[in-house]
Amino acid sequence: DAGVIQSPRHEVTEMGQEVTLRCKPISGHDYLFWYRQTMMRGLELLIYFNNNVPIDDSGMPEDRFSAKMPNASFSTLKIQPSEPRDSAVYFCASSFLAGGADTQYFGPGTRLTVL
Amino acid sequence: DAKTTQPPSMDCAEGRAANLPCNHSTISGNEYVYWYRQIHSQGPQYIIHGLKNNETNEMASLIITEDRKSSTLILPHATLRDTAVYYCIVRASVGMRFGAGTRLTVKP
Repeated sequence: DAGVIQSPRHEVTEMGQEVTLRCKPISGHDYLFWYRQTMMRGLELLIYFNNNVPIDDSGMPEDRFSAKMPNASFSTLKIQPSEPRDSAVYFCASSFLAGGADTQYFGPGTRLTVL
Repeated sequence: DAKTTQPPSMDCAEGRAANLPCNHSTISGNEYVYWYRQIHSQGPQYIIHGLKNNETNEMASLIITEDRKSSTLILPHATLRDTAVYYCIVRASVGMRFGAGTRLTVKP
């Protein structure tokens, strides 16, 4: 398996522009997670899905952020409009539950820079 | 999820065992102890997890005290490639909250 795939790997955009980050989870996994990492705040859970349904979006910073999972093999995280403080590395992860525990596999991340 | 406490940094000599401690005194009966690591700017990597018993896999061993209030991750023969930030996470739900972790530096 290729693991979790994220695109693009790097994104540079200007303030006010729309940004869309993409994720393909590992086949067979029914949980998908979006995380953000910054030097100041560390790794933060933004939102996660189970069977394509958003379960917990309490970590989404504000209404400018939205996430969708139209099918089991694809998810997007959209920022509109983007701001310089959104600059971070965004990770996608997927997992499945087994015996009450899950092992999350992370993608390589998308490094976003908003100028 | 229970709060965890880890030392901010540790050093280890190459080839020696690295023992990384984690305190989780408020752990609940249904919460698992997970360990992940992050090498430089890569995505976090799963290492091991356990509930009550000690666990071992090809990467590491996890020792959980009998009262479950603390645990130790053991890398039996640390290599330079094990230099990373190691996160101890205690949780029952699938959502994972990361703390600051321990920055392990393996030195030649």
